[in-house]
Amino acid sequence: DTGVSQDPRHKITKRGQNVTFRCDPISEHNRLYWYRQTLGQGPEFLTYFQNEAQLEKSRLLSDRFSAERPKGSFSTLEIQRTEQGDSAMYLCASSPNWGQTNIQYFGAGTRLSVL
Amino acid sequence: AQRVTQPEKLLSVFKGAPVELKCNYSYSGSPELFWYVQYSRQRLQLLLRHISRESIKGFTADLNKGETSFHLKKPFAQEEDSAMYYCALRGIPGGTSYGKLTFGQGTILTVHP
Repeated sequence: DTGVSQDPRHKITKRGQNVTFRCDPISEHNRLYWYRQTLGQGPEFLTYFQNEAQLEKSRLLSDRFSAERPKGSFSTLEIQRTEQGDSAMYLCASSPNWGQTNIQYFGAGTRLSVL
Repeated sequence: AQRVTQPEKLLSVFKGAPVELKCNYSYSGSPELFWYVQYSRQRLQLLLRHISRESIKGFTADLNKGETSFHLKKPFAQEEDSAMYYCALRGIPGGTSYGKLTFGQGTILTVHP
């Protein structure tokens, strides 16, 4: 499978624990995006990278959330001191260069359940 | 602020009937509009985009700037069209919301045999 890969697919954690998700974009895609999707809602933008630079962060991304893309390839999203409200599907997407051919390809997502 | 509204959470039609999934947007400028689809147990995937002006799987969508709408239409629905459909907006280069997609809440389409 050469699409966007996310790991793990499911994560169950207790309130207060830290969790980290990984996203491997399509090879040579220099843009990488994180979205969060809660039940009954469409995906909401969290942050995105162009290569290793984090270019935009949503107000949804509180201080407990941090994302990195250290070498401009895979990315990690960490949530510290998880809360029940963090329970959601976390989606990653990647795209090639900006322009009219820029289409975002989505991974299958990581479903987080905070107990 | 930019916003995408899909007024119908659920839409049911019978096979062979026409279908229209509504999408309205709010954005100061000329955004790029998309329809994404998610079939059961599959990931979100692009169905079509307004700049392509093409028909995909029999679906078309026309951007109406006057009404700020981007409704998705198909003249004869098929059972395999049953899925969740999301309308999404992306701002223009150099403007606000550069790059990111803003999604509507989605419409679940069910096509009955």
